[in-house]
Amino acid sequence: EPEVTQTPSHQVTQMGQEVILRCVPISNHLYFYWYRQILGQKVEFLVSFYNNEISEKSEIFDDQFSVERPDGSNFTLKIRSTKLEDSAMYFCASARRDTEAFFGQGTRLTVV
Amino acid sequence: KNQVEQSPQSLIILEGKNCTLQCNYTVSPFSNLRWYKQDTGRGPVSLTIMTFSENTKSNGRYTATLDADTKQSSLHITASQLSDSASYICVVSGGGSQGNLIFGKGTKLSVKP
Repeated sequence: EPEVTQTPSHQVTQMGQEVILRCVPISNHLYFYWYRQILGQKVEFLVSFYNNEISEKSEIFDDQFSVERPDGSNFTLKIRSTKLEDSAMYFCASARRDTEAFFGQGTRLTVV
Repeated sequence: KNQVEQSPQSLIILEGKNCTLQCNYTVSPFSNLRWYKQDTGRGPVSLTIMTFSENTKSNGRYTATLDADTKQSSLHITASQLSDSASYICVVSGGGSQGNLIFGKGTKLSVKP
């Protein structure tokens, strides 16, 4: 069964460093998303991406965040200068249509 | 303000027993309501998705109900198994794009032998 794959599963980085979280969406999906979940809190929407551009983003997705689909398979989330409060699980999701999304297993980002 | 509230916050039941989880929402406009299962440290996995016109939907031992008038939904788990231990998240779509998904905090279910 096809699935969304995220790497790495766990990333530890120092405050102020740049991190890139990687995702391989399901191959025939057209819509791509990033969500995050701070420990003990609910899942929050970050950004959606369709047709090679951002279609929607939340207030959380400020200038420190960017997304890219550098080739036909990968979808990345970059945080330019990490802060302690960026520590969270980051989930990538993809969808064939803009309805039900399939989530990856997540990347746990720890900023120290 | 668009919100999704779930109850109880946590629940412990014995293996083989049934349980019902509740979800109340104040999301408008409304497109669909989804229930996800999230194992600890993993991504959410979809259980059911219901549109405005659907009252109930089943997926194996999981049965979700929706009352769009009262803006309430429930997830009933029948004959629980140890593997049902997880967080169950109610998610409401406000229509338009996937970015309008409003997540509840989830109900943490523990099934004990």
